[in-house]
Amino acid sequence: QQPVQSPQAVILREGEDAVINCSSSKALYSVHWYRQKHGEAPVFLMILLKGGEQKGHEKISASFNEKKQQSSLYLTASQLSYSGTYFCGTDSGGYQKVTFGTGTKLQVIP
Amino acid sequence: DVKVTQSSRYLVKRTGEKVFLECVQDMDHENMFWYRQDPGLGLRLIYFSYDVKMKEKGDIPEGYSVSREKKERFSLILESASTNQTSMYLCASLGGSVNQPQHFGDGTRLSIL
Repeated sequence: QQPVQSPQAVILREGEDAVINCSSSKALYSVHWYRQKHGEAPVFLMILLKGGEQKGHEKISASFNEKKQQSSLYLTASQLSYSGTYFCGTDSGGYQKVTFGTGTKLQVIP
Repeated sequence: DVKVTQSSRYLVKRTGEKVFLECVQDMDHENMFWYRQDPGLGLRLIYFSYDVKMKEKGDIPEGYSVSREKKERFSLILESASTNQTSMYLCASLGGSVNQPQHFGDGTRLSIL
């Protein structure tokens, strides 16, 4: 079953912040975040393993709440280059079988 | 850098044809995946393989089969193509270690007429 992402779409002005949420009905071993620009392959952002860690990648960071089976992706001081569709992927068994959500389309405007 | 190559960017086939989509990776990865991507539905896993000649069904395997005769190559087969299989197909590979990212190919836009 696919994880649920929210919001489905968001429009930001440059410099604004955004949060994308990912929620699963299953216990999670890991959560994966990818960004896909139009016409391109998804690009890896980060992986969070169970243990409730938080990771950062420049101005993009993420948290993983294992108990709530949720992850959130934080984009701060957004740039035009952040535009794209963000996917979370969840792995419930630790066997590398990742199930992706339906995506969050993010558009950053000047 | 990992390179995942899909044989075609665009492909047009007719209903009832047998269609082969090929994917090759150059990093000796154990795991390979086939997804289809449709608007509003995200990436849905069709099949994956964790070793040569090994395969597992994903979430939407109906109407598809796969072949992995060599470690670097993973083929998706549409036995009898139908119009509802018109979609973007993405292949990915992944090493055997935990917390490694999947590496995606550029995708094949398949149209079934």
